[in-house]
Amino acid sequence: EIVLTQSPATLSLSPGERATLSCRASQSVSNYLAWYQQKPGQAPRLLIYDASNRATGIPARFSGSGSGTDFTLTISSLEPEDFAVYYCQLRSNWLFTFGPGTRVDIK
Amino acid sequence: EVQLVESGGGLVKPGGSLRVSCEASGFTFNNAWMSWVRQAPGKGLEWVGRIKSKTDGGAADYAAPVKGRFTISRDDSKNTLYLQMTGLKAEDTAVYYCTTVYHSSCLYYWGQGTLVTVSS
Repeated sequence: EIVLTQSPATLSLSPGERATLSCRASQSVSNYLAWYQQKPGQAPRLLIYDASNRATGIPARFSGSGSGTDFTLTISSLEPEDFAVYYCQLRSNWLFTFGPGTRVDIK
Repeated sequence: EVQLVESGGGLVKPGGSLRVSCEASGFTFNNAWMSWVRQAPGKGLEWVGRIKSKTDGGAADYAAPVKGRFTISRDDSKNTLYLQMTGLKAEDTAVYYCTTVYHSSCLYYWGQGTLVTVSS
């Protein structure tokens, strides 16, 4: 079973700053890696799929990269609405796995 | 507009059973792969399982903690997805989300969720 680890657990930043979130897999995986944003009381929203493709309607300040075991979600300049929890998710052998999440909060 | 509306959540005793439903609209349901994801109070997301479209064989796969206890099914004539839960445990307490599967690898549209509470 592949385990996803996300770091840091919490990221405290100011609006306008760059956010770099990491997702690491316990073994090398395909690029079936997605990122989601979840705000309190809301369902998650798909941001990035297949490691680097933005979902429809997602602003260009969100970008995904990586391969093998290390993946990154970058928010180039934080907007007030970007403070939320972010999860990575992998599909491997037809099973899906989520990481534990990174909380991005206002410094 | 895509809509996924879950229903059927509630309070159930340990060892009991419950079926939650998800009514879909705004897309061609019978072609869609669908999935259930849950979130325990104050915790992260946990994938529950996925069912393929009947065109693609209709098979379901499950996460280890629910395999053998939960069953995902679909009624394409009613545009409805189901999650039958048996042998419920306290640790199954969560909001259960219905989602569409995109590119066979990620979860695109999400419902608003239905809360299942397992407690005596």
